[in-house]
Amino acid sequence: AQTVTQSQPEMSVQEAETVTLSCTYDTSESDYYLFWYKQPPSRQMILVIRQEAYKQQNATENRFSVNFQKAAKSFSLKISDSQLGDAAMYFCAYRSASASGTYKYIFGTGTRLKVLA
Amino acid sequence: NAGVTQTPKFQVLKTGQSMTLQCAQDMNHEYMSWYRQDPGMGLRLIHYSVGAGITDQGEVPNGYNVSRSTTEDFPLRLLSAAPSQTSVYFCASKTLAGKRTDTQYFGPGTRLTVL
Repeated sequence: AQTVTQSQPEMSVQEAETVTLSCTYDTSESDYYLFWYKQPPSRQMILVIRQEAYKQQNATENRFSVNFQKAAKSFSLKISDSQLGDAAMYFCAYRSASASGTYKYIFGTGTRLKVLA
Repeated sequence: NAGVTQTPKFQVLKTGQSMTLQCAQDMNHEYMSWYRQDPGMGLRLIHYSVGAGITDQGEVPNGYNVSRSTTEDFPLRLLSAAPSQTSVYFCASKTLAGKRTDTQYFGPGTRLTVL
């Protein structure tokens, strides 16, 4: 079975600084997808970034980028120029690229990010 | 375009009571799912559906029933509520059309307390 682990329950960053959130996962599959979701106090989940395992290039979305290390099964999220609006719970997630995996996402326990003014 | 809506936002039940959490989406998404979120744990998939009349179990299905009679609606039923079902419940939907789409649209959540 696949697992997703986020070992940092809480992180803090000064406004305008850079912060990295860690995520490790375990799988025996070779093709899969990894995600970072943001959950602000409103509780809705927002897709921040997606990484396809077969792509070596790290995904980026504006101030958000990932460091995907497939061999190490590591998938960290870097937030540059942190803003107050980035404060939220961040979840790392996995899903298989198999046909049945399309429907089942596995989430980590989350990292609460605080942004200090 | 309301996206994914959930009702109610808050609910308190007594042990043994039954209730239905409602979820609706107006994006014509084939896929809908229910998650529960507990402190110290990630979101866990309860049930999901890939279209009207088609449902399947997720990671933690026990104690919950679902049905999908229309594309828009995917209610979650608790037949006999237990304190272990105290949680925040999220409904999510996404399209299955197109290649490898993973943008899930989540509802605002329902906070359920079972006494």
